[in-house]
Amino acid sequence: NAGVTQTPKFRVLKTGQSMTLLCAQDMNHEYMYWYRQDPGMGLRLIHYSVGEGTTAKGEVPDGYNVSRLKKQNFLLGLESAAPSQTSVYFCASRISEGRNEQFFGPGTRLTVL
Amino acid sequence: KNQVEQSPQSLIILEGKNCTLQCNYTVSPFSNLRWYKQDTGRGPVSLTIMTFSENTKSNGRYTATLDADTKQSSLHITASQLSDSASYICVVTEFSGGYNKLIFGAGTRLAVHP
Repeated sequence: NAGVTQTPKFRVLKTGQSMTLLCAQDMNHEYMYWYRQDPGMGLRLIHYSVGEGTTAKGEVPDGYNVSRLKKQNFLLGLESAAPSQTSVYFCASRISEGRNEQFFGPGTRLTVL
Repeated sequence: KNQVEQSPQSLIILEGKNCTLQCNYTVSPFSNLRWYKQDTGRGPVSLTIMTFSENTKSNGRYTATLDADTKQSSLHITASQLSDSASYICVVTEFSGGYNKLIFGAGTRLAVHP
């Protein structure tokens, strides 16, 4: 069981470039999430998915798009990267709502120059 | 606005000592409160979860308390070890019916020195 994995671990982009972050989980979880973590702030929800083929906006969705074509994968896309998107991005998954724990991936550190 | 405030921002203690981290929240309606441990360069890992009816929960040397009336929680670490050096994040779930929103504190960065 690998749990939640994220690809890549690090990335440097120039302003205007695009990229996709991949999140994969092998726990058969329905719910998946993308967060960003910035210094001095709590994690903020970008987008989430409650099942294969569904996506929804979180707290800070602007500048990002997501897709959940397969239950085990959740992709986060940046179409035109901006310096304000420099952050550490975490993917998480959980089996369903309620008390169930969210399991986090190791994070992707993204720098936009 | 629903918020989660943690104190102190950072803390340095000597190995073997105890410490207590604080979390105050204004989240309503409240569903549950979790404490996570985040090692440097890693994702958060859950330590404890409490609902409004639970006022204490232990996980080894970690003990969390919850006072739902005053909207305060604390995480007590006993006999600290070097491996306890990490950020500790308080997360409160806002019960919104359709989707339960998690509100994260900014964390307390703990350094345990030998």
